[in-house]
Amino acid sequence: DIVMTQSPDSLAVSLGERATINCKSSQSVLYSSNNKNYLAWYQQKPGQPPKLLIYWTSTRESGVPDRFSGSGSGTDFTLTINSLQAEDVAVYYCQQYYSTPITFGQGTRLEIK
Amino acid sequence: EVQLVESGGGLVQPGRSLRLSCTASGFTFGDYAMSWVRQAPGKGLEWVGFIRSKAYGGTTEFAASVKGRFTISRDDSRNIAYLQMNSLKTEDTAIYYCSSSTVTSYYFDYWGQGTLVTVSS
Repeated sequence: DIVMTQSPDSLAVSLGERATINCKSSQSVLYSSNNKNYLAWYQQKPGQPPKLLIYWTSTRESGVPDRFSGSGSGTDFTLTINSLQAEDVAVYYCQQYYSTPITFGQGTRLEIK
Repeated sequence: EVQLVESGGGLVQPGRSLRLSCTASGFTFGDYAMSWVRQAPGKGLEWVGFIRSKAYGGTTEFAASVKGRFTISRDDSRNIAYLQMNSLKTEDTAIYYCSSSTVTSYYFDYWGQGTLVTVSS
């Protein structure tokens, strides 16, 4: 199984500043035949289901603000939130879909400082 | 507008069975894989399993924690996916979400609101 490990577990960032969340997979999620990393990011607010933010490492889902961006390759990935807004307070999860079992990171709780 | 609505959750005793339903609308249900993802109270997300579209064999895959106890089926004529849960354990207590994904890329683009399953005596 591919283990997904996020860091940090929680972080507090001031409004308007940048938040960076890291995700590391125990093995590469880069599929060589199409050169795509099978990595997605989700946002979950209290009492709500998760919401897809980014897939294929860096492709934003329709309607997701461009202050959210994803990067990385192989085993190391980053979700960056520029100019943090109050509505970005949530738990963020990375997920690999390279192989089954599909696995998620443990989550990173983002708060306002 | 895409909608996924789960139903069938509730309180059940250990060892008993429960069937959840996920009713879909707003997209061509039969073209998509359907997954179940659960979240224990205060915990993170855990993939439970999925069923591929009929075009990809309609086959299923499951997490090790539920394999042999849970099954997933689909009724494309009614746009419903089912999660049959047998031999339930207290550790199966969670909110169960259904979600959709393309048949070749299992990231989850749409999610239902979830249904709570509590396994307790």
